[in-house]
Amino acid sequence: GNSVTQMEGPVTLSEEAFLTINCTYTATGYPSLFWYVQYPGEGLQLLLKATKADDKGSNKGFEATYRKETTSFHLEKGSVQVSDSAVYFCALSDTGSGNTGKLIFGQGTTLQVKP
Amino acid sequence: EAGVAQSPRYKIIEKRQSVAFWCNPISGHATLYWYQQILGQGPKLLIQFQNNGVVDDSQLPKDRFSAERLKGVDSTLKIQPAKLEDSAVYLCASSLESGTVGSYEQYFGPGTRLTVT
Repeated sequence: GNSVTQMEGPVTLSEEAFLTINCTYTATGYPSLFWYVQYPGEGLQLLLKATKADDKGSNKGFEATYRKETTSFHLEKGSVQVSDSAVYFCALSDTGSGNTGKLIFGQGTTLQVKP
Repeated sequence: EAGVAQSPRYKIIEKRQSVAFWCNPISGHATLYWYQQILGQGPKLLIQFQNNGVVDDSQLPKDRFSAERLKGVDSTLKIQPAKLEDSAVYLCASSLESGTVGSYEQYFGPGTRLTVT
């Protein structure tokens, strides 16, 4: 079945450091890929998405590229801030005829950024 | 535009008791989802509605969980009787349409944190 695997956390970085959170997936067909973020005390928010191979999603300085050949969707940011401290979830969705569009999530990666 | 509303935000019950959660999706959103998020894990879909019909309930423990979406708007998720392993955050999400016709963003509510003692 479909699944998503994320790198284990927590990830602790100093402000302005480079961030990579690895995400790989297993899926039949052509899923859409997402990164969601959960700030402390808040609900899940969509951070970025990509719907086909080689697409790059970007938002708030974060980027991720849909790599079909390596079945990956790694999240990157060039310079993290303390306000980026949150839990990040990679997810996939099977779309199109015969699929329901439900999201399948990875286990989440906690990011802590220190001043 | 108002977001997805959920209540209550927190609930503590004893095992074998019953509990109900309520969700009001974003106005005009046809698709509604209930996810269960156990501590340290990603959310897992329990049930998906398209208007007031069930699209996917394959991972809903039907011996104790039930859900309905009367009139295709609000939804209620019930657990009866609760077990210790039901302790989790229950998330409601909505989207304009289901994924059968494309990729639609799911908007999440703040969740209900359930503790079963």
